[in-house]
Amino acid sequence: EAGVTQSPTHLIKTRGQQATLRCSPISGHTSVYWYQQALGLGLQFLLWYDEGEERNRGNFPPRFSGRQFPNYSSELNVNALELEDSALYLCASSLGPGTTWKVEQFFGPGTRLTVL
Amino acid sequence: SQQGEEDPQALSIQEGENATMNCSYKTSINNLQWYRQNSGRGLVHLILIRSNEREKHSGRLRVTLDTSKKSSSLLITASRAADTASYFCATDAAQGAQKLVFGQGTRLTINP
Repeated sequence: EAGVTQSPTHLIKTRGQQATLRCSPISGHTSVYWYQQALGLGLQFLLWYDEGEERNRGNFPPRFSGRQFPNYSSELNVNALELEDSALYLCASSLGPGTTWKVEQFFGPGTRLTVL
Repeated sequence: SQQGEEDPQALSIQEGENATMNCSYKTSINNLQWYRQNSGRGLVHLILIRSNEREKHSGRLRVTLDTSKKSSSLLITASRAADTASYFCATDAAQGAQKLVFGQGTRLTINP
């Protein structure tokens, strides 16, 4: 069974440009999560999508946005790139939100975004 | 803000020895998960322990959870060079909305 996949592996942009990152979840998973791992800041939750809807958002400005498609894959868009957006962006997927018990999140290999 | 805090930040041991990493958190949780990350790449899910569990085993891994102290430990027995990686604990708050909150991680180095 294929795991979470992300593309591209690396992305180099200049300040002010837009970046689009893509994620395909594990088959059967409806929830997709985005996390940012920036040097010195650790892993920070960005966004959670489930069944095509944005369910939760971390403490990031509106220029970080995304969407989830009917096949549950997801895109993360970062507009007006700033130097501090340089980071590893990790996507994770899980089964949809349960009732009482939460479920494991499985991560992809990440996209390393470098903003020059 | 980071809920989980790992201790120690870095650990270096000889191959074959046991490695113990600790994690503390601040709020009530549903689950606590441990992940491994090699060389700044993706996270590998190691083990999930639910809030009503106290101990869980998976191969050479042993995880304990003490909800009264809001802490967890990850023990890797008979360490191997391939265990060299960063290890993170992640919690999802009982009243949260499915997001994971990660600690800063423990960098484990296994010396041959």
